[in-house]
Amino acid sequence: GAVVSQHPSWVICKSGTSVKIECRSLDFQATTMFWYRQFPKQSLMLMATSNEGSKATYEQGVEKDKFLINHASLTLSTLTVTSAHPEDSSFYICSANIRRTGQSGANVLTFGAGSRLTVL
Amino acid sequence: QKEVEQDPGPLSVPEGAIVSLNCTYSNSAFQYFMWYRQYSRKGPELLMYTYSSGNKEDGRFTAQVDKSSKYISLFIRDSQPSDSATYLCAMNQAGTALIFGKGTTLSVSS
Repeated sequence: GAVVSQHPSWVICKSGTSVKIECRSLDFQATTMFWYRQFPKQSLMLMATSNEGSKATYEQGVEKDKFLINHASLTLSTLTVTSAHPEDSSFYICSANIRRTGQSGANVLTFGAGSRLTVL
Repeated sequence: QKEVEQDPGPLSVPEGAIVSLNCTYSNSAFQYFMWYRQYSRKGPELLMYTYSSGNKEDGRFTAQVDKSSKYISLFIRDSQPSDSATYLCAMNQAGTALIFGKGTTLSVSS
């Protein structure tokens, strides 16, 4: 089945530094990937939609200069948290759309394992 | 009113019980309904996927969609300790981003 690999699974960094999270589709090509953020006991909040070869589409309230998304190939999207601060500490999860035959409207997502970021 | 409402629980049941998890929603245009299971510190994994109204069964899991009531359910039969996780409902209309519920935390005790 479709597998999305996310790395690193957890990272601790100092305030002011930048952190890069990688998301790879292992056995399929993903023209679109989605980045979510999840706070404890909260639902997944869509941050941005990453499109291969073009600029990402950010959700309202998400700072595009702070959360840099690059989707340079059909199998790799990266999220860079720039100048991280403690309030950026969260669980970041990427996902890719696995389109089901005959139901073109569905966004049935396969998720990576997530990356837990702690900013000290 | 939020687009998708889901009781966060926690829900505690003994092993072997039938579990009922539910979500309500407000957007009648939603057509695609999913249930994801998320273990602690892990990404969600797809459990069930349903298009429009009706029932779908997969092993011990049954998903129901009642579009007239804007209500979806996930039933787990013969629940096992390994079912202990957070269950997230999600839904969308054609070509739009998924909207997730907050998730219900389930604990199955042996």
